[in-house]
Amino acid sequence: GQQVMQIPQYQHVQEGEDFTTYCNSSTTLSNIQWYKQRPGGHPVFLIQLVKSGEVKKQKRLTFQFGEAKKNSSLHITATQTTDVGTYFCAGRGTFQGAQKLVFGQGTRLTINP
Amino acid sequence: NAGVTQTPKFRVLKTGQSMTLLCAQDMNHEYMYWYRQDPGMGLRLIHYSVGEGTTAKGEVPDGYNVSRLKKQNFLLGLESAAPSQTSVYFCASSYVGLHTEAFFGQGTRLTVV
Repeated sequence: GQQVMQIPQYQHVQEGEDFTTYCNSSTTLSNIQWYKQRPGGHPVFLIQLVKSGEVKKQKRLTFQFGEAKKNSSLHITATQTTDVGTYFCAGRGTFQGAQKLVFGQGTRLTINP
Repeated sequence: NAGVTQTPKFRVLKTGQSMTLLCAQDMNHEYMYWYRQDPGMGLRLIHYSVGEGTTAKGEVPDGYNVSRLKKQNFLLGLESAAPSQTSVYFCASSYVGLHTEAFFGQGTRLTVV
């Protein structure tokens, strides 16, 4: 079945440093979505990538979708304390697999101010 | 507009007891999902539904049953709780289609002793 792997599991940075999390799927995806979960909260949708090779930016956040539509990355430039939380990627497969939204293990980001 | 509401928010069960978690959404979403979140394991899909009266198994369905008798409600049942089912449970919903984001409830923290 469809599996989504995400690395690293944890990342601790100094405020102002950059951060990157990587997501890999065992199968081709229809799209990749990214969510953020603040400590004690619930996942909240950030963005969706649909096209092969797509790159999207939200202020200091840059999201990429691989050419084969099987991998993705989230890069945060110059982290701030407000970026603390767990970042999840999630993918929908193709055809019947498109009904399921499968999440990666998440990357927990902590920041030293 | 409440969005996705989960009931209860916290529960402690004894091994072997049964309970039902209720998820209600007021956004007229077709798709609904149940996930469990454990440290280091991310969000794992338990069961999902693509419409009223239909349910399907996710990644970790064993020990759980679900029902979607009404479009706005998705129930998750534990017939005989086990300590391995101690977790935080999240319900989510989305519109039908490939490129739709999921909206999450606040979560239910369940402890089985």
